[in-house]
Amino acid sequence: NAGVTQTPKFQVLKTGQSMTLQCAQDMNHEYMSWYRQDPGMGLRLIHYSVGAGITDQGEVPNGYNVSRSTTEDFPLRLLSAAPSQTSVYFCASRRLLGTGTGNTIYFGEGSWLTVV
Amino acid sequence: AQTVTQSQPEMSVQEAETVTLSCTYDTSESDYYLFWYKQPPSRQMILVIRQEAYKQQNATENRFSVNFQKAAKSFSLKISDSQLGDAAMYFCAYRSASGAGSYQLTFGKGTKLSVIP
Repeated sequence: NAGVTQTPKFQVLKTGQSMTLQCAQDMNHEYMSWYRQDPGMGLRLIHYSVGAGITDQGEVPNGYNVSRSTTEDFPLRLLSAAPSQTSVYFCASRRLLGTGTGNTIYFGEGSWLTVV
Repeated sequence: AQTVTQSQPEMSVQEAETVTLSCTYDTSESDYYLFWYKQPPSRQMILVIRQEAYKQQNATENRFSVNFQKAAKSFSLKISDSQLGDAAMYFCAYRSASGAGSYQLTFGKGTKLSVIP
């Protein structure tokens, strides 16, 4: 059971370039999300999805695009990278229903992105 | 919108001693979840403990326990018998139990815990 897998783990981009951060989960979770973590901050929600074909914005969505064509995958696209998008990005997933530990969120290991 | 405040940017504890990390939150909701996450230098997010707001009993996980004061909107983490491996950033987080807020974890800014041998 791989859990939540993010690729790449490290990436350096030039300003204006585009790229896609990949996220896959093998737990059949309905909910998937992307967070970013900046120095001295906790994680902040970028976008999330509650199922295939359904996405919505989080707290800091500008400059990012997402889609959810399958239950397993939730890629995050940077349309035109800016230095302000230098951050550590986390993908996370969980079951939508259930109580207690049944809807615990699982995080990927993070992707370090530097925009120069 | 909910906010989570961790007022201690850094803390230190002697190995084998006990330390308490503070967290307060602001919400008008009655049903929600609270979490403590540990983030070592690898940046992996590790769930330490969770608390459902409807449960009066404080959650415990081995050496980790919480003091959940719902009326005061306080959720502190106590680490007993501190070990060198406990050194990390610790984040307090909030999630609504239902509605649109249930799709977002709101994090505090973290407390960096150092463990002194």
